[in-house]
Amino acid sequence: EAGVAQSPRYKIIEKRQSVAFWCNPISGHATLYWYQQILGQGPKLLIQFQNNGVVDDSQLPKDRFSAERLKGVDSTLKIQPAKLEDSAVYLCASSLDLRVAASGTDTQYFGPGTRLTVL
Amino acid sequence: RKEVEQDPGPFNVPEGATVAFNCTYSNSASQSFFWYRQDCRKEPKLLMSVYSSGNEDGRFTAQLNRASQYISLLIRDSKLSDSATYLCVVKRGKNSGYSTLTFGKGTMLLVSP
Repeated sequence: EAGVAQSPRYKIIEKRQSVAFWCNPISGHATLYWYQQILGQGPKLLIQFQNNGVVDDSQLPKDRFSAERLKGVDSTLKIQPAKLEDSAVYLCASSLDLRVAASGTDTQYFGPGTRLTVL
Repeated sequence: RKEVEQDPGPFNVPEGATVAFNCTYSNSASQSFFWYRQDCRKEPKLLMSVYSSGNEDGRFTAQLNRASQYISLLIRDSKLSDSATYLCVVKRGKNSGYSTLTFGKGTMLLVSP
């Protein structure tokens, strides 16, 4: 079974530039997540989709970050304009279901991540 | 107080040693608990779920104490390949009917020959 795909794997940009990341989840997974992992920290949830709807974007800096999952499959995360503190690994993850009552189907599978460096 | 707190690490142990990681969580409404493993420059992967009765998977034993809001992971007979960062993860429900996972900072384990 193919895992979560992400691209690009690495990106170096200057501050104030824009950047976009792409994610394709595991086939059939309804829930998709974008996480930000700063060096030395655990992953921090930015946004969570259930199919093509946003379930949680409370930690997404909406003045500069945006994300969409228009057809309920792949997703893009955009940063515009980037700041130095956005340097991090951006991880995409997917799961079958993460409703409260779900059990056994809510394991999250992560993609390899995109390592962003903002200069 | 952070929602999930772990031992700061790193833990440096020789092969064959037994090592234990501790984790505490602040939200008593948390429902499920997990340990994820993250190798250097790789993505996190589920190591094991943590159940109230405690559970074991080979050399790995996980324990949960809901009263103390405390989770642990014990690794026996450490191997070089166990070197990684171990992330404590807590799941809780939200009013939306969906759940969210909160990750700890991770504890790095270095096993040496």
